[in-house]
Amino acid sequence: QSALTQPASVSGSPGQSITISCTGTSGDVGGYNYVSWYQQHPGKAPKLMIYDVTNRPSGVSNRFSGSKSGNTASLTISGLQAEDEADYYCSSYTSSSTQVFGTGTKVTVL
Amino acid sequence: QVQLVESGGGLVKPGGSLRLSCAASGFTFSDYYMTWVRQAPGKGLVWLSYINIDGRTIYYADSLKGRFTISRDNAKNSLYLQVNTLRAEDTGLYYCARGGEGPAAPFDYWGQGTLVTVSS
Repeated sequence: QSALTQPASVSGSPGQSITISCTGTSGDVGGYNYVSWYQQHPGKAPKLMIYDVTNRPSGVSNRFSGSKSGNTASLTISGLQAEDEADYYCSSYTSSSTQVFGTGTKVTVL
Repeated sequence: QVQLVESGGGLVKPGGSLRLSCAASGFTFSDYYMTWVRQAPGKGLVWLSYINIDGRTIYYADSLKGRFTISRDNAKNSLYLQVNTLRAEDTGLYYCARGGEGPAAPFDYWGQGTLVTVSS
C-alpha cells in the first residue's frame, strides 16, 4: 500500500486560509468516506483533527474543515494562527481493510 | 481520562527482537480496536497493524512481511507488538493509538511512543 500524496510544505500569513491536499486512489481515498487528518507538533504525538472526511472531534477549532472530491481529500485551515504551525497527515481506510497515512505536510505560518 | 503508555523500546542489534507494550486506562479497553503506528526519525507516520476487540481480526501493513505480531490482553488492558528480525529501517518511535468500533475508525487517542533503535 503506497502512502497517500501530500505537498511537502504549505505556508500562509496569519489570518489567511490554506488548503492541504491528500491524493490517493479509488482503493482508498476515492472509495470510502473514511479520511482523517492529524496534526503533529514537534516532539508530540499526533492529534486527530478531522475524521470521516468532514467531521471535527469535540474540542477542535472550527477553523479546521475537511472535504473530498474524487481521489483527493483536502484540509482547510482558515484564520491561520501561529499555533497551527505543525506537520499534518491525512489517512484513509483502504480496500485491503488496512489504513494508510499520507506523506505529511509541514505548515509554516509566515 | 484516556491514557496510553507505551514501553519496551530500546537499542537492539540487527536481527534482534523486542516486545512493545501499551498500557491503556481511562476507557473500556475491550470495546475498541487498537493500532500501532511507527515514525522514523524526521519522517512521516506509517500505519503498521490493528487488532479488533477480541483479537481475532488482525491486519498488517504489507511491508512488515510477517516479522511483526500484534496481540492484546483485555484482562490487563494491554496491547502488544512483537517485533522480530529487526532491521535498521525499523528504527523509530512506535505509537499505540485507540481506534473505534471498526477497522475504518480514526485514531482518537495516542500514546507518547516508545523508541526502538536498531543498530550494531
